[in-house]
Amino acid sequence: EDQVTQSPEALRLQEGESSSLNCSYTVSGLRGLFWYRQDPGKGPEFLFTLYSAGEEKEKERLKATLTKKESFLHITAPKPEDSATYLCAVANFGNEKLTFGTGTRLTIIP
Amino acid sequence: NAGVTQTPKFQVLKTGQSMTLQCAQDMNHEYMSWYRQDPGMGLRLIHYSVGAGITDQGEVPNGYNVSRSTTEDFPLRLLSAAPSQTSVYFCASSSASVGNYGYTFGSGTRLTVV
Repeated sequence: EDQVTQSPEALRLQEGESSSLNCSYTVSGLRGLFWYRQDPGKGPEFLFTLYSAGEEKEKERLKATLTKKESFLHITAPKPEDSATYLCAVANFGNEKLTFGTGTRLTIIP
Repeated sequence: NAGVTQTPKFQVLKTGQSMTLQCAQDMNHEYMSWYRQDPGMGLRLIHYSVGAGITDQGEVPNGYNVSRSTTEDFPLRLLSAAPSQTSVYFCASSSASVGNYGYTFGSGTRLTVV
């Protein structure tokens, strides 16, 4: 059974204080690993897809990396508008579903 | 371009009542799915469809029905609501297999069953 574990559950940072969010996963055949951002009362918003170990993708202050067992979402010099819950999910070659973690709630303090 | 539209945004049902959650997308996406989101459990797949006329069960299908008569619409039916179905429901769509593109999610329906 595919599993995704995200840590920490919650993270509070000062504006400009860089950090990383962790996503550990087990999947029998990784088709893709996804990062989403979710704001309160809204649906998840797609950020990145990573397909193989060693791959990296960047968008503004966010950079996602992937190893064979985990993915990191690095946030550099965050701003208050980066406050959100960040979700990690994996897709398996064997089915059509995404398996989600429970998310990291990120708060950036001005 | 509206993306994925879900209605209603909020709903309160009594135990035993039935209702349909609506989902429509205007992106001509083949793949559509329904997820529920509960505190501490992450998003879980209820049902999905890989094209008009084709549906399949996900991780937590009991108590829900779906149909896909058109590419655009993918309604979710609650047959006899139970308090355990209190949740936030998200519809999502994708132009291709889930591994190639990220899903586009709707804004959700918050359902309370009393």
